Amino acid sequence: QSALTQPASVYGSPGQSITLSCTGTSNDVGGYNYVSWYQQHPGKAPKLMIYHVSNRPSGVSDRFSGSKSGNTASLTISGLQAEDEADYYCSSFFRSYKGSSTVYVFGTGTKVTVL
Amino acid sequence: QVQLQESGPGLVKPSGTLSLTCAVSGDSISSSNWWSWVRQPPGKGLEWIGEIELSGRSNHNPSLRSRVIISVDTSNNQFSLTLISVTAADTALYYCARAKTPFAPADFWGQGTRVAVSS
Repeated sequence: QSALTQPASVYGSPGQSITLSCTGTSNDVGGYNYVSWYQQHPGKAPKLMIYHVSNRPSGVSDRFSGSKSGNTASLTISGLQAEDEADYYCSSFFRSYKGSSTVYVFGTGTKVTVL
Repeated sequence: QVQLQESGPGLVKPSGTLSLTCAVSGDSISSSNWWSWVRQPPGKGLEWIGEIELSGRSNHNPSLRSRVIISVDTSNNQFSLTLISVTAADTALYYCARAKTPFAPADFWGQGTRVAVSS
């Protein structure tokens, strides 16, 4: 299994909406509704922002929303704020063909910069 | 509030054994949750190492499986990671975390502990 593919950088201005992508395969993103998104500020532990494609944990702003189409999942941040500047990682359940291997995989990560 | 705290040596010699412990508070290690380890090499992304639950059922990343042991210590409400035959590639920030089900996203994380593999 390989890491899910994310763009290295995404930029946006305050108040704008940005969308981060996460591309996998039919063995992970495309095959299961188990995509999650984490936010990680420098020197901090990851924070769960979205689980099961589009669900927000309690306490997470509704400016964050998730979706999926085929083998690509997306995280949209609306009304971009300075505090949203961080690294974002997607993740998914992965099961190989015939189920010989099951693992939890992360994406390569996207650095969001608020201009 | 659930809290997790990693502890262990910050330096391990090549070919040696890395041993970390995660102390859990605000939740019982005997609950139905799964307890996991994730690492992050310097300047790089996250890598799932593996997880365990009370009965001892565990799952591991195939890329590390033969070198990883994850165990639960119910008497001290903690769980541990042992990684054998370490190399410089195992230098990373190691996080422990809690998930509700296997292969699931972690909702609570420790602060992380840095481990360097060097002679």
